[in-house]
Amino acid sequence: DQQVKQNSPSLSVQEGRISILNCDYTNSMFDYFLWYKKYPAEGPTFLISISSIKDKNEDGRFTVFLNKSAKHLSLHIVPSQPGDSAVYFCAASEELKGGATNKLIFGTGTLLAVQP
Amino acid sequence: NAGVTQTPKFQVLKTGQSMTLQCAQDMNHEYMSWYRQDPGMGLRLIHYSVGAGITDQGEVPNGYNVSRSTTEDFPLRLLSAAPSQTSVYFCASSRGQHNSPLHFGNGTRLTVT
Repeated sequence: DQQVKQNSPSLSVQEGRISILNCDYTNSMFDYFLWYKKYPAEGPTFLISISSIKDKNEDGRFTVFLNKSAKHLSLHIVPSQPGDSAVYFCAASEELKGGATNKLIFGTGTLLAVQP
Repeated sequence: NAGVTQTPKFQVLKTGQSMTLQCAQDMNHEYMSWYRQDPGMGLRLIHYSVGAGITDQGEVPNGYNVSRSTTEDFPLRLLSAAPSQTSVYFCASSRGQHNSPLHFGNGTRLTVT
């Protein structure tokens, strides 16, 4: 039972255009969401996050949007660059008692290819 | 800055063999965890630890053991390897607060024949 879903295994966009990666979740107790980027033969690296009390967070070319009623979040990359080509994972966490842990649940990933 | 270091990078085992995947972090992070990555399955949590002496199970703990005797180290043990454990394994750490991003190592690619 996947609590975090990325329904698009891959996405191809032209350099300079917008990339939109989508993520859906089922657990209404999730209150913090993150996006990670992964290059081949490397570990995932943190990209951007958003708390459930917000609906948008922006960091340079990267913006994450959260729609709590739809249990949906998306990552927008504008403008897309060839170096953005990687696998993107969304992840979600639920604050447990004491807030002492951040057990992240990950989606299956979307492979983004940015064509020069 | 070493960050999270995993060894070995690659390993081939025969069914039934045992081994330990090593993970060390030098950021004084309280929280550490192990994930496995399989095609079409994303990253799945195996075990995690919120501090030295404390461990707990994640989504897919069967066939794996962990211990946390120091803040820095969090080894993952396979007692009797099975082909279903062929995967890429990632260790990660964080400060442990709810909104602290995980820092990942570069992974160990394990093949069980």
